[in-house]
Amino acid sequence: SQKIEQNSEALNIQEGKTATLTCNYTNYSPAYLQWYRQDPGRGPVFLLLIRENEKEKRKERLKVTFDTTLKQSLFHITASQPADSATYLCAVYNFNKFYFGSGTKLNVKP
Amino acid sequence: GAVVSQHPSRVICKSGTSVKIECRSLDFQATTMFWYRQFPKQSLMLMATSNEGSKATYEQGVEKDKFLINHASLTLSTLTVTSAHPEDSSFYICSAEGGTGNTGELFFGEGSRLTVL
Repeated sequence: SQKIEQNSEALNIQEGKTATLTCNYTNYSPAYLQWYRQDPGRGPVFLLLIRENEKEKRKERLKVTFDTTLKQSLFHITASQPADSATYLCAVYNFNKFYFGSGTKLNVKP
Repeated sequence: GAVVSQHPSRVICKSGTSVKIECRSLDFQATTMFWYRQFPKQSLMLMATSNEGSKATYEQGVEKDKFLINHASLTLSTLTVTSAHPEDSSFYICSAEGGTGNTGELFFGEGSRLTVL
């Protein structure tokens, strides 16, 4: 099965800086990879999807890269704001299922 | 975007009782819904894939007789935790794939916090 690895340690950054979160998968190259935001006690909210034939995808202050050679995706938030503080999950889609990482908690300090 | 509604958001029950959680797609039809379980600071663990009009597909290690899933219509799937025990206390989240454009994103419900006393 697929194993998704995200840094379990919280990422603390200063407002205005760029946050970079990492997602690594161990086995099969997914058809696509997604990033979600989850706030405490809430369900995840979809942010971005990137397909295996795409190297980069942008949406406003968000940028996702996908390197199938490294089996890694990077998620960037530029000009970060305290409101960006949340847990960010990556998910890969293989064999009609979604596999989630455990998420990385981002703390943006004012 | 598409909306998935989950109910109840919180439920407390006594050990040995059964609890039903509903998951509805409000503005789109969902032939497939997914049920996840999440422990604090851990990942979403896929429990089962719910298919409209057919039996659910359970992940390895998930007891199908304990976690009953029914997907009777294109907008409703239910998860019933039977004979609940304290170790079943968790955050249960449903999701559906779809909406307009079929972008591949999952739409999640708000989750249901189950506490078994």
